Amino acid sequence: NAGVMQNPRHLVRRRGQEARLRCSPMKGHSHVYWYRQLPEEGLKFMVYLQKENIIDESGMPKERFSAEFPKEGPSILRIQQVVRGDSAAYFCASSPPVAGSPLHFGNGTRLTVT
Amino acid sequence: GESVGLHLPTLSVQEGDNSIINCAYSNSASDYFIWYKQESGKGPQFIIDIRSNMDKRQGQRVTVLLNKTVKHLSLQIAATQPGDSAVYFCAENPLGDYKLSFGAGTTVTVRA
Repeated sequence: NAGVMQNPRHLVRRRGQEARLRCSPMKGHSHVYWYRQLPEEGLKFMVYLQKENIIDESGMPKERFSAEFPKEGPSILRIQQVVRGDSAAYFCASSPPVAGSPLHFGNGTRLTVT
Repeated sequence: GESVGLHLPTLSVQEGDNSIINCAYSNSASDYFIWYKQESGKGPQFIIDIRSNMDKRQGQRVTVLLNKTVKHLSLQIAATQPGDSAVYFCAENPLGDYKLSFGAGTTVTVRA
């Protein structure tokens, strides 16, 4: 059973470009979460999605960031007009539809904005 | 605001000794807690979890203790090995919620 798959592992973008990060949850998991981690820091919650629905986006910046989890295909975290401050590791996690379940994480996408 | 936090940012341990990593939480509504291990360049890996109706849970070489009175969580690693070197995070989950809130992490370094 494959774990949470994220791609790309590394992404380099110039300021002003768009970044698209993909996440395929574990089989049987219908809940997807995105977290951001800056160097030497903990993980900060960004958004929680179920299929075709955003459930909680309280951690998402109001501008330039968006997320989706379509009926078919992976979840996408999209960052428009990237700035240097967006450089970070972005982790996706998934869980089954049961509150109080552990989240299973992918190995992240490391975004570098030059 | 309420958050999960760790007492110490770093811990150096002699190989073979026991490690204790501490975590304080302030959200009294949290009823589920998890410890994760993160190695360099990887995502957090689940170690062990505990619910608020328990005060102790054991796994393979690891034990989690929960003290709800003082809102304190700890992870004990027995006979620490070089492969235990990593950053350890505690995370909490309020009742009925799905997402986790993470602390800042403790870096554990095992000395040979």
